[in-house]
Amino acid sequence: EAGVTQFPSHSVIEKGQTVTLRCDPISGHDNLYWYRRVMGKEIKFLLHFVKESKQDESGMPNNRFLAERTGGTYSTLKVQPAELEDSGVYFCASSHVRGTGASYEQYFGPGTRLTVT
Amino acid sequence: RKEVEQDPGPFNVPEGATVAFNCTYSNSASQSFFWYRQDCRKEPKLLMSVYSSGNEDGRFTAQLNRASQYISLLIRDSKLSDSATYLCVVTDDSNYQLIWGAGTKLIIKP
Repeated sequence: EAGVTQFPSHSVIEKGQTVTLRCDPISGHDNLYWYRRVMGKEIKFLLHFVKESKQDESGMPNNRFLAERTGGTYSTLKVQPAELEDSGVYFCASSHVRGTGASYEQYFGPGTRLTVT
Repeated sequence: RKEVEQDPGPFNVPEGATVAFNCTYSNSASQSFFWYRQDCRKEPKLLMSVYSSGNEDGRFTAQLNRASQYISLLIRDSKLSDSATYLCVVTDDSNYQLIWGAGTKLIIKP
């Protein structure tokens, strides 16, 4: 079974530019999550999709970030315009069922390392 | 105050030793608890869930103390391959956000 994949693995852009990150969850996983780790800080939740619907976007830092999951399959996270503080590693995760404990283990992708210069 | 606190380490431990990590969380409504492992420049991977009764998986034992809002992970007979960052994670189950600690770095030395 293919795991969660993310593209690109690395992105270096200039301040003010736009970047779009892509996540392909494990096939059949309705739940898709975005997280971010800024250097030296803990991983932070950004948002959660259930199929194509945004279930919880309370972690999105500001309106420069736009996440979509059209059709309930892959998801994109667009940053426009990018700022220096957006640099970090963006992880995507997916899970199958909703519930507690290990029944809803979130499987993580390898992350996209974003550097804004 | 951070929602999930961990000693950042690093813990430098000789191979074969026992090592213990601790974690405290601030939200008393937290319901699910996990330990994740993250290798350098890799994604986090679930190591084990933590149950109220405590649970063991091979050389790994996790304990939860709800009254003290404290979680622990014990690694026995440590291996070189155990070197990684160990992340304490909680969730309150009203949403499915994972709330992460900053991680404790473990270095196992031969």
